[in-house]
Amino acid sequence: QSVLTQPPSASGTPGQRVTISCSGSSSNIGSRYVYWYQQLPGTAPKLLIYKNNQRPSGVPDRFSGSKSGTSASLAISGLRSEDEADYYCVAWDDSLTGWVFGGGTKLIVL
Amino acid sequence: EVQLVESGGDLVQPGGSLRLSCAASGFTFSDYWMSWVRQAPGKGLEWVANVEQGGSVKYYVDSVKGRFTVSRDNAKNSLYLQMNSLRVEDTGMYYCAREARESNGMDVWGQGTTVTVSS
Repeated sequence: QSVLTQPPSASGTPGQRVTISCSGSSSNIGSRYVYWYQQLPGTAPKLLIYKNNQRPSGVPDRFSGSKSGTSASLAISGLRSEDEADYYCVAWDDSLTGWVFGGGTKLIVL
Repeated sequence: EVQLVESGGDLVQPGGSLRLSCAASGFTFSDYWMSWVRQAPGKGLEWVANVEQGGSVKYYVDSVKGRFTVSRDNAKNSLYLQMNSLRVEDTGMYYCAREARESNGMDVWGQGTTVTVSS
């Protein structure tokens, strides 16, 4: 059971907008930054969003992050087939003194 | 080119030990916190441990406390994970990752090394 809760799967058709939720608590999301990672099949994770809503250089602006209270979400607009991947939310947890990951959401592009 | 390359993964029996290494290049290794993250086959990512720039401050996930030790050698630009009393549930891909400054996330990842714990 992961400390951060994500839906196991999400889906959309090309061009659609999809959101992935991430729920935590006051000791992690509620008081810390949220990060999002994309993991394409058979590859290492890639940083997608940092500090709740910032994109590293090279990440398309189709990807956006937001946070409210103890929850966060990742939105992907203009869905493309190459977005099919696993997505993970992450935050530092002050009670556990460590990074905590969500269980991951498999995004399927129909 | 900024790069992390893990090595040391192997097949080991339950109760055995293994030492993973992560060689860093292309950046000033001693300026960054470093983390180990693992992924069991077909499962999600799990953070394992991290260490601050000088090697003194370390944090671990509860499931590995007392069994795993993270360390670094800044002169060799290398990160290590000493894994003792290995369990079947420690099986998986182990990634090292750089923690960017100013809380900018784990921005550089290695390709991973595979640890299999089985009799």
